[in-house]
Amino acid sequence: QVQLKETGPDLVQLTQTLSITCTVSGFSLTTYNVHWVRQPPGKGLEWMGAMWNGGGTDYNSAFKSRLSISRDTSKSQVFLKMNSLQTDDTAKYFCARQGYYDGYASFDYWGQGVMVTVSS
Amino acid sequence: DIQMTQSPASLSASLEEIVTITCQASQDIGNWLAWYQQKPGKSPQLLIYGATSLADGVPSRFSGSRSGTQYSLKISRLQVEDPGIYYCLQGYSAPYTFGAGTKLELK
Repeated sequence: QVQLKETGPDLVQLTQTLSITCTVSGFSLTTYNVHWVRQPPGKGLEWMGAMWNGGGTDYNSAFKSRLSISRDTSKSQVFLKMNSLQTDDTAKYFCARQGYYDGYASFDYWGQGVMVTVSS
Repeated sequence: DIQMTQSPASLSASLEEIVTITCQASQDIGNWLAWYQQKPGKSPQLLIYGATSLADGVPSRFSGSRSGTQYSLKISRLQVEDPGIYYCLQGYSAPYTFGAGTKLELK
């Protein structure tokens, strides 16, 4: 069955770099797109970026050049790296699969998320 | 970037009541609109895709509609398991954007 699982640190120091891995199973990264979404405590969902099935990427400009998304298809893993972390980057980070239904794309499967706290 | 304006921010309704949540897109996104339900501590769950199509396993009391650039999620008869936060998401073009969310509570 389709599964996504995020792994990463619970705590990151201010100005340091965050690295999170999304390990997927039940589908191929060369067939489906995978997105990153984050949610600060008590707040809404924010789209961060995407790894397209062809290997390209797209990013939310709000993260400027801080964010990088990559993948290792042989390991079925998608990676998020974000540098220069600030306290307002404290959030739960989710990866989600983009499935297509009747030609329309939706995030149909999500990981459970990893809660990251940025500490000073 | 496409903006999604979601309303209301919060809503309290009684069991069996009809509930409607709306999202207004800042430009034409066709039917590239999905609705999600999120419960505390959980990941969002897909309810509606393509603006009007019900995702697998979602009760038929949920429905989606579109009028121009305004999209609505309707719960026809509110049930005890329906409270949570509801989000719309436009998938028409990157950067994808979520609505701010609607917190639905039982009265």
